[in-house]
Amino acid sequence: GDSVTQMEGPVTLSEEAFLTINCTYTATGYPSLFWYVQYPGEGLQLLLKATKADDKGSNKGFEATYRKETTSFHLEKGSVQVSDSAVYFCALPLDGYSTLTFGKGTMLLVSP
Amino acid sequence: DVKVTQSSRYLVKRTGEKVFLECVQDMDHENMFWYRQDPGLGLRLIYFSYDVKMKEKGDIPEGYSVSREKKERFSLILESASTNQTSMYLCASSAGTGGSGQFFGPGTRLTVL
Repeated sequence: GDSVTQMEGPVTLSEEAFLTINCTYTATGYPSLFWYVQYPGEGLQLLLKATKADDKGSNKGFEATYRKETTSFHLEKGSVQVSDSAVYFCALPLDGYSTLTFGKGTMLLVSP
Repeated sequence: DVKVTQSSRYLVKRTGEKVFLECVQDMDHENMFWYRQDPGLGLRLIYFSYDVKMKEKGDIPEGYSVSREKKERFSLILESASTNQTSMYLCASSAGTGGSGQFFGPGTRLTVL
C-alpha cells in the first residue's frame, strides 16, 4: 500500500547549519505530498505541500521538491535556527477523503 | 486561517470513567479525524468522518467511539477509560479529496489513572 519512509532522528545541528530530512514514498499515481511540523507540546502544523511532480513547496525558509524519478520529497533549509527544533513529519493521502499516512517523524534539535 | 479547537489541553481521568473529547473546526470542512500519538508509534488514526452522522474506523478503533451530529463538531468517546489509553489525542479536519492537507488542533494530553 501507499506509504512514506523518513529518516530516523534525532538530527542534531548547530545554528545556521544546512538541514536535510529525507522522505521517500510509495504510491500509485501521483498524490500530493506534505510536510508537517510539531513543536513541543503542540499539534501538527502544515509546513508545506506539493501537488504534482517537480513542484517545489516552500514556507518559513524550508523547501521540498516533489521528485517523481526518485520518489522523494526531501525537506531542506539553508540555515536552521534554534526555534526550528521540532518533530517533522512527511505525509501523503491514502484515499478520496484526504486520509493521510504519516512517516514516523524526525526530531530536529538545533543548538546555539 | 483554519482553526481547529479541542475542548481540553490536559485531562486526568480514572479507570472506568466515560471520557468525551470534543473537537470543533470553523472552516466548513467535510472531513474530520481523530488520532492518537504515542512515543515510538507515531500518529495512529482512530476514526474519521467524511460527513455528518457518518463515521469510518481507522487503524485502532477498539475501545473508542465517535459522534458527529453537526458538521463542525467531532467527538471522541472512551466508553470505559483504561490506563493504556493514556496518550496525546489529536483532532484534524480537511476539505476535499487529498490535495488540501489536514489542519490539526493543539491536542489533548489524556492521563488515565
